[in-house]
Amino acid sequence: GQQVMQIPQYQHVQEGEDFTTYCNSSTTLSNIQWYKQRPGGHPVFLIQLVKSGEVKKQKRLTFQFGEAKKNSSLHITATQTTDVGTYFCAGPMGSGNTGKLIFGQGTTLQVKP
Amino acid sequence: EAQVTQNPRYLITVTGKKLTVTCSQNMNHEYMSWYRQDPGLGLRQIYYSMNVEVTDKGDVPEGYKVSRKEKRNFPLILESPSPNQTSLYFCASSLSTGRFSPLHFGNGTRLTVT
Repeated sequence: GQQVMQIPQYQHVQEGEDFTTYCNSSTTLSNIQWYKQRPGGHPVFLIQLVKSGEVKKQKRLTFQFGEAKKNSSLHITATQTTDVGTYFCAGPMGSGNTGKLIFGQGTTLQVKP
Repeated sequence: EAQVTQNPRYLITVTGKKLTVTCSQNMNHEYMSWYRQDPGLGLRQIYYSMNVEVTDKGDVPEGYKVSRKEKRNFPLILESPSPNQTSLYFCASSLSTGRFSPLHFGNGTRLTVT
């Protein structure tokens, strides 16, 4: 079936280092969403990408949507301890007006001060 | 304050004892969904609802029931809970079908079935 794979599963970095998580779909996506979940918290929406090749920035976070709309990445420049958490990508599955939103397994980021 | 409210936050129960986890949103959202979160598996969709009286299965619906009699409420029912349903559950809502609208999540319900 349709899948959304995310790598790596875990990443430990020193504060100030960069971080990237990758999201790959088995099928073309109409859009992709990114969420962040702090430890003990609930997922919080970060951004949505819709267009092929789209790049969006939020301060130190850069989000990309691949040209084929099958992959995406989130890059954090100069990580801070406030970046700790699990980052999820999510994409709608199926054709038409589907309500199925499939999440990747998530990448858990640990930042050493 | 705009929010999705889940209750209870924590629940310990025994195998076979029916339970309901409530979910309510005050944002007049059409779309609501239930997810379970397990280590290494991310968030897996259980059921979703596009609008009142419209529900459909997600990826892991077995052992669960839902209903959407009112727009604001979307309870999750476990008729006969089993230990493999021990998990962290999240309810979420969005303005429309979720395709182009961000999901707003509740704070989660941690369920333990012994």
